[in-house]
Amino acid sequence: ETGVTQSPTHLIKTRGQQVTLRCSSQSGHNTVSWYQQALGQGPQFIFQYYREEENGRGNFPPRFSGLQFPNYSSELNVNALELDDSALYLCASSLEPAGGEADTQYFGPGTRLTVL
Amino acid sequence: GQNIDQPTEMTATEGAIVQINCTYQTSGFNGLFWYQQHAGEAPTFLSYNVLDGLEEKGRFSSFLSRSKGYSYLLLKELQMKDSASYLCAVRGGGQNFVFGPGTRLSVLP
Repeated sequence: ETGVTQSPTHLIKTRGQQVTLRCSSQSGHNTVSWYQQALGQGPQFIFQYYREEENGRGNFPPRFSGLQFPNYSSELNVNALELDDSALYLCASSLEPAGGEADTQYFGPGTRLTVL
Repeated sequence: GQNIDQPTEMTATEGAIVQINCTYQTSGFNGLFWYQQHAGEAPTFLSYNVLDGLEEKGRFSSFLSRSKGYSYLLLKELQMKDSASYLCAVRGGGQNFVFGPGTRLSVLP
């Protein structure tokens, strides 16, 4: 167990809807990163939040947005859902800027999103 | 650009040794991480390399050559529970990790 929690576990939405996914980071960690993992592929970086500000973004459109709260928990919001958004969404927490192995990201169990 | 390559699938026998290779091209380098991911579960951290050489952790070892952009994960005394995907991830010049596609390892009795 990494101490990183995510909710909900599973979610089914229809095309065009909006969704909010939540993540609580491991105690003592100040950074949350979000990833999208399609079946059979590696995680793709969406963005990272450090001390409540976006601190890097991958190649995802603006309809993917996020927030980080003072307690370092985070939300991922996706607007105008598309069928291709169906995936496992993982959040990972870390302590920045720790350096070295302390930079390790620890993953939550993920939210499985299905868009119909 | 940033690119990480791994073999898609590998098969090995219980009790054997298997080596999973990873090659990378990234903008900057601040460490290479290996994760294990069982089907339907989150990735779990296995090992970290930032300097050239071999790091050993029990049955698992990881090697890095920065000049060659190359790493491998070595699994010894394979057990059935080692059947999983193994993800190579590089922390580049920015704050994010770049993950490879993963290698699905099947351990046969």
